[in-house]
Formats: sequence, C-alpha cells, structure tokens
Amino acid sequence: ETGVTQTPRHLVMGMTNKKSLKCEQHLGHNAMYWYKQSAKKPLELMFVYNFKEQTENNSVPSRFSPECPNSSHLFLHLHTLQPEDSALYLCASSQRLATEQYFGPGTRLTVT
Amino acid sequence: RKEVEQDPGPFNVPEGATVAFNCTYSNSASQSFFWYRQDCRKEPKLLMSVYSSGNEDGRFTAQLNRASQYISLLIRDSKLSDSATYLCVVNAGFQKLVFGTGTRLLVSP
Repeated sequence: ETGVTQTPRHLVMGMTNKKSLKCEQHLGHNAMYWYKQSAKKPLELMFVYNFKEQTENNSVPSRFSPECPNSSHLFLHLHTLQPEDSALYLCASSQRLATEQYFGPGTRLTVT
Repeated sequence: RKEVEQDPGPFNVPEGATVAFNCTYSNSASQSFFWYRQDCRKEPKLLMSVYSSGNEDGRFTAQLNRASQYISLLIRDSKLSDSATYLCVVNAGFQKLVFGTGTRLLVSP
C-alpha cells in the first residue's frame, strides 16, 4: 500500500545533528498526525494538523518541530535530540478529525 | 478513569479457537469506534469500524454496547497469522481519536 509514505525508514543520528522526517499522503485527506511509539509502549500522539493548521501539540519538547506546508505533506524537524527520543515515529492521515486514520510505515529513529 | 482501557494480555490460544477482547471507554458521547491491528515493529492497520448494529467481516465480528460503554472484537477459527496486538480506538470528543494500549494475541499451532 502506498497511501501514506514516510522517509527515511531508518535514521541514526547523533545528539548534535539536525534531521527531518518526511510524510506524504496520497489519499486526499485533510488531517495529518505525528505519533511516537517507544519499544513495547503505546502510541503517543505528538501533533495534529487539520487543513494545514496545527490543532494539537501534546506537550512535545521544542526539539521536535513540525511543519505542514500543504494537506499532503508533513515534516518533523529534529535537533539536539536525546537518546530517550529513540523510537518509531509514525505519520497518519484521515479524511477529517476523529475519522479512521491510515498510517505510514514509520521511521525508526536511533539517537546515539 | 482512562479514556480507553484494554486488557494487555497476552491471550494465548490454539489455532482454531475463538477469542474475544473487550475495550471500555469513558466518554459517553463517543460516536466513532474502530479496531486496529499492529504487528511487531510495524504500523497499526485499520481492521474494522464498529457500528451501532455491530458488523462482521469474515472471521471477525465487532460489537458496540453503549449502555455499558464497551466495544468487543470476536475472532473465530484463529489462525497463526492473527497473532498481533489489537488496538481499540474511540473518538473522545474534541474531534480526537484515542488509541488504547492494545491487547496482545498469540495463536499457537
């Protein structure tokens, strides 16, 4: 399935690096989301965008900076991360808020 | 009370068995309900929506009980490939979906 794509699929970065995660949805949806999932833990919602406007920031540290240039693209800019930020970062999209979400394959991030 | 609660399991069942999971939710105004499946180290995938009248898709049946505020997922004739974590998802007002922590199912030969 290529409804929601994410790049890169794997990323290793040092604590002083700056990198960006990219998400693209080909479903014509209006809402997009970033989630974090640490090993053996539940999904944690990070950010929500609806029609390109951020509607939710779940107390995420400022070292994570989202960007949504249009309804099809979502970025997560990373800088000065900590080892505990190592996790699977998942992007999702939905037609509207509170409707079923479709997930990308995720970016597995390791911070060294 | 948590917005969405699930028994983490694991549920260990033999192939061919019938297994059921429940999920309780706290917001009586919730209108949308879903079951997702997540395989190890993969993304969650939509399994089925849950309608007021209940719905069935092959071996999978989902039910909604508004009075007691829970949804259920029944899997008949379990297959090895059904082994996964099943996530309950509920809209919790404010146009937001809340994911449960998941119930792990292990189907053995």
